[in-house]
Amino acid sequence: QQQVKQSPQSLIVQKGGISIINCAYENTAFDYFPWYQQFPGKGPALLIAIRPDVSEKKEGRFTISFNKSAKQFSLHIMDSQPGDSATYFCAASQGRNSGNTPLVFGKGTRLSVIA
Amino acid sequence: NAGVTQTPKFRVLKTGQSMTLLCAQDMNHEYMYWYRQDPGMGLRLIHYSVGEGTTAKGEVPDGYNVSRLKKQNFLLGLESAAPSQTSVYFCASKGSDQRASAGYTFGSGTRLTVV
Repeated sequence: QQQVKQSPQSLIVQKGGISIINCAYENTAFDYFPWYQQFPGKGPALLIAIRPDVSEKKEGRFTISFNKSAKQFSLHIMDSQPGDSATYFCAASQGRNSGNTPLVFGKGTRLSVIA
Repeated sequence: NAGVTQTPKFRVLKTGQSMTLLCAQDMNHEYMYWYRQDPGMGLRLIHYSVGEGTTAKGEVPDGYNVSRLKKQNFLLGLESAAPSQTSVYFCASKGSDQRASAGYTFGSGTRLTVV
């Protein structure tokens, strides 16, 4: 059973456009939702994260929107640039104060930003 | 540079051979993880450790063994390699004194091919 479902599998966006990647989860005990960015040949790196007590978090051009009732969260990349071309993973874990529950990852979205 | 170092970066094995992947971190992190990444499958947790001398199974542990004899090292062993273990393996670490929002530090991966 896949705990975190991510869509789309791939995405092509024009430079300057908005990239949107969606994730859904089943486990209501999840309370930490990060997004990781991975460039070819590199390991994933934390991009931005959110907790369910807020509905939105913004860092620069990257925004997470969170809908607790629908058990969904999404990543929005505003003014997408060719340098944003990468694979993006959503993830989730539980244990607000422990921090040691392993992350469960979605299957990833390969984003290509074209000029 | 401080971080997570994986050895080797590439390896080709014949079916039935054994090998050990080494993960070393110099950040004094308590938690360490082994994930495998396959096309269209995302990152799946193999084994993890919450401290020196401890290990636990993840989502896909079969065919793998691990050891955490020293805090800074986390070894992943394949006793009898199978073609299904062809994958890119990532090690990650996280400090127990960090908030969960601090994220994982990933290595650059080991690309393993079993023929």
